[in-house]
Amino acid sequence: NAGVTQTPKFRVLKTGQSMTLLCAQDMNHEYMYWYRQDPGMGLRLIHYSVGEGTTAKGEVPDGYNVSRLKKQNFLLGLESAAPSQTSVYFCASSYSRTGVPSNQPQHFGDGTRLSIL
Amino acid sequence: GDSVTQMEGPVTLSEEAFLTINCTYTATGYPSLFWYVQYPGEGLQLLLKATKADDKGSNKGFEATYRKETTSFHLEKGSVQVSDSAVYFCPSGPADSWGKLQFGAGTQVVVTP
Repeated sequence: NAGVTQTPKFRVLKTGQSMTLLCAQDMNHEYMYWYRQDPGMGLRLIHYSVGEGTTAKGEVPDGYNVSRLKKQNFLLGLESAAPSQTSVYFCASSYSRTGVPSNQPQHFGDGTRLSIL
Repeated sequence: GDSVTQMEGPVTLSEEAFLTINCTYTATGYPSLFWYVQYPGEGLQLLLKATKADDKGSNKGFEATYRKETTSFHLEKGSVQVSDSAVYFCPSGPADSWGKLQFGAGTQVVVTP
């Protein structure tokens, strides 16, 4: 049972470099989410997607882009990394097309620990 | 608007002690309510949920009852273990039509031998 898989698990970047974080889910979920977790601030939603080919901004979208070309994958991109983007990034998915979306929990990956020097 | 208030931590207690983490909500309807747990170095995982008033969610010895009269969803465990040391989240606000939840900082629980 893979669930939600995030790659890579760890990464160190230099300021100004770019990279893409990959999230893959095998539960046929419609909705996917990217969060960042910083000490004392909890999880904050960066972007989310409610279906293949659709994305929307969350609470802290600046400096990030996302794409959902395939239903099972949700990519988070940093075009020009900044030290303020040092964080732990979590991907989550929810809602298979049964029942009500609000009743269904989110399933999380194990996170990507990203450091920007 | 709709919101959830979660007890702040950290909470430190001894093994076999009783644990309660308070979570109260305000909502115009009866949203589904969740508790998530995050063990060190891991992602969040669903601990339990309740989808309507008077529902009781339970898992791993934890329980929470969706109480309409007190608008609460407090998490309880009768006898904690060191392995229960983690951060517990009661997401803020009901899920909207896109399943979005707002997660605060959570409540850190430290259980000592």
